[in-house]
Amino acid sequence: DAGITQSPRHKVTETGTPVTLRCHQTENHRYMYWYRQDPGHGLRLIHYSYGVKDTDKGEVSDGYSVSRSKTEDFLLTLESATSSQTSVYFCAISESMTGNTEAFFGQGTRLTVV
Amino acid sequence: AQSVTQPDIHITVSEGASLELRCNYSYGATPYLFWYVQSPGQGLQLLLKYFSGDTLVQGIKGFEAEFKRSQSSFNLRKPSVHWSDAAEYFCAVGARGNEKLTFGTGTRLTIIP
Repeated sequence: DAGITQSPRHKVTETGTPVTLRCHQTENHRYMYWYRQDPGHGLRLIHYSYGVKDTDKGEVSDGYSVSRSKTEDFLLTLESATSSQTSVYFCAISESMTGNTEAFFGQGTRLTVV
Repeated sequence: AQSVTQPDIHITVSEGASLELRCNYSYGATPYLFWYVQSPGQGLQLLLKYFSGDTLVQGIKGFEAEFKRSQSSFNLRKPSVHWSDAAEYFCAVGARGNEKLTFGTGTRLTIIP
């Protein structure tokens, strides 16, 4: 299995509180991604990173921020959680998502905002 | 903008029967196409991918997919399904130099004895 770990795996938080999800990799891959998965929507890209301190927005980035201070760690922060952010969040890593290499996904973090 | 349509939300097949999952894409340039599988409570695993060349692509677990440019399709097939194939399947599209994959909404596959 690829060395990718998401933490926490489950979290329940209250509306309005900040939440940080962590993705840690041991593969030294350049690209790291945060997706959210919701019924009827598949996976939607929130943010991604193409190197340390280099990040870009995905299609559903509102309400989320990210940071990548080290190659191995990619943090996703919900500054003020809302119920619409209840979802399963997946981190993915890749040398090149569309190159001749495989992307690896973490096992997901189930976040519930009450 | 690129998009992917998986028209079947849920498919049920008998064990040993053949399987075809549909995927249609929209992309202006030459697409890169992927099929991923997700078992319950797990992350996604790559089944196969198409970049160029032979339009019939072989993947893991006995799956194959055929790229048909004229139909903008990349359907996934398996000649004989096993109970362990029950999972959710996602088609995705990307392109060279575009490091953002767009996923379809997924097809849930149920296998009956």
